[in-house]
Amino acid sequence: GAGVSQSPSNKVTEKGKDVELRCDPISGHTALYWYRQSLGQGLEFLIYFQGNSAPDKSGLPSDRFSAERTGGSVSTLTIQRTQQEDSAVYLCASSLARGDRLAEQYFGPGTRLTVT
Amino acid sequence: AQSVAQPEDQVNVAEGNPLTVKCTYSVSGNPYLFWYVQYPNRGLQFLLKYITGDNLVKGSYGFEAEFNKSQTSFHLKKPSALVSDSALYFCAVRAAGKLIFGQGTTLQVKP
Repeated sequence: GAGVSQSPSNKVTEKGKDVELRCDPISGHTALYWYRQSLGQGLEFLIYFQGNSAPDKSGLPSDRFSAERTGGSVSTLTIQRTQQEDSAVYLCASSLARGDRLAEQYFGPGTRLTVT
Repeated sequence: AQSVAQPEDQVNVAEGNPLTVKCTYSVSGNPYLFWYVQYPNRGLQFLLKYITGDNLVKGSYGFEAEFNKSQTSFHLKKPSALVSDSALYFCAVRAAGKLIFGQGTTLQVKP
């Protein structure tokens, strides 16, 4: 079946512009996660959606970052007023959660964001 | 706070030899541990997980990992390395739903 998909695969933007990154999770997965992978910081958790519960936003690095998940499926990560330190690969993952809260997470291919 | 450490930035091994990629963890309560692999320009792929039970966990592509509670370790192993195993390996612990990753270890398998 289809895995987690992300778009765009690459995004180059100018400093100060806003960007939106999209994630389509695996059908039926109720949990969705965003992570960031950068050279200096490794793999960092950003935000976690679980069903209809309030998202865990504890990993968002600043108030310029926000995410939403519409209809319990597709998610959009928005970065406002991008800075050069936002350059990274943004990874989305999804997992089954109900009845199997320790299920493994399946990752998408990522969006490589470059802020010039 | 929950954390994971991978003490080696890179591991080099000859094809056909056994390999070990080290991981230690620090958690409160029972650890839920995972290994993921990342091939160049690709997303992370799940290899295996330890939740409870047998300390030796078998996973994809012939990999296995040994959970050692007294040493707080979860080392990844394979009896005979392949050149195609060359990739970036991440150990992770699950905490409050999310994964906390180690810094990653690059495995280089030479022919």
